[in-house]
Amino acid sequence: NAGVMQNPRHLVRRRGQEARLRCSPMKGHSHVYWYRQLPEEGLKFMVYLQKENIIDESGMPKERFSAEFPKEGPSILRIQQVVRGDSAAYFCASSRSGTGISYEQYFGPGTRLTVT
Amino acid sequence: AQSVSQHNHHVILSEAASLELGCNYSYGGTVNLFWYVQYPGQHLQLLLKYFSGDPLVKGIKGFEAEFIKSKFSFNLRKPSVQWSDTAEYFCAVIGPIYNQGGKLIFGQGTELSVKP
Repeated sequence: NAGVMQNPRHLVRRRGQEARLRCSPMKGHSHVYWYRQLPEEGLKFMVYLQKENIIDESGMPKERFSAEFPKEGPSILRIQQVVRGDSAAYFCASSRSGTGISYEQYFGPGTRLTVT
Repeated sequence: AQSVSQHNHHVILSEAASLELGCNYSYGGTVNLFWYVQYPGQHLQLLLKYFSGDPLVKGIKGFEAEFIKSKFSFNLRKPSVQWSDTAEYFCAVIGPIYNQGGKLIFGQGTELSVKP
């Protein structure tokens, strides 16, 4: 049973370019979460999505960042016009749906974004 | 706003020593609490979780944690650490729960180094 998959694992972008980070949740999971870990900081929540819906985007920067989780395919975190401050590890997590669930989130290996 | 505080940034122990990592949270509602571990170069893994019932919860690899509601604490313990426990440990609380999921709010992490 494959875990949460993220690709690419490492991504290098120049300032001003776009970064696209992909996340495939675990089989049977319909909730996806994105977190960011900046150097020397803990993980910070960015966005919570279900299929075709953004449930909570309170942690997303107001500009340049967007996320989607289409009906088919992986969830995408998109960063437009990247700046050096976007350099971080981006983690995706997924969880199941249904009543009585444990709200347990399973994490992927992360994508390390470096902006040069 | 909800927050999680971990008391120690870096803990150094010798093998066989006992471990206790502090975690306090500020959230007035019903809480779901977690400890995650991140081994060097790996993704986050769930150590243990508390949702309800017995406030002393046991997790994997000999770890346990005690939920003390009156102190808003959820400290992690292990009676005897091993070199392989060297990792970063994150305490987390789940924020408002809606649509059967919710964002994790993490503490800043505690880096544990165990000397052989």
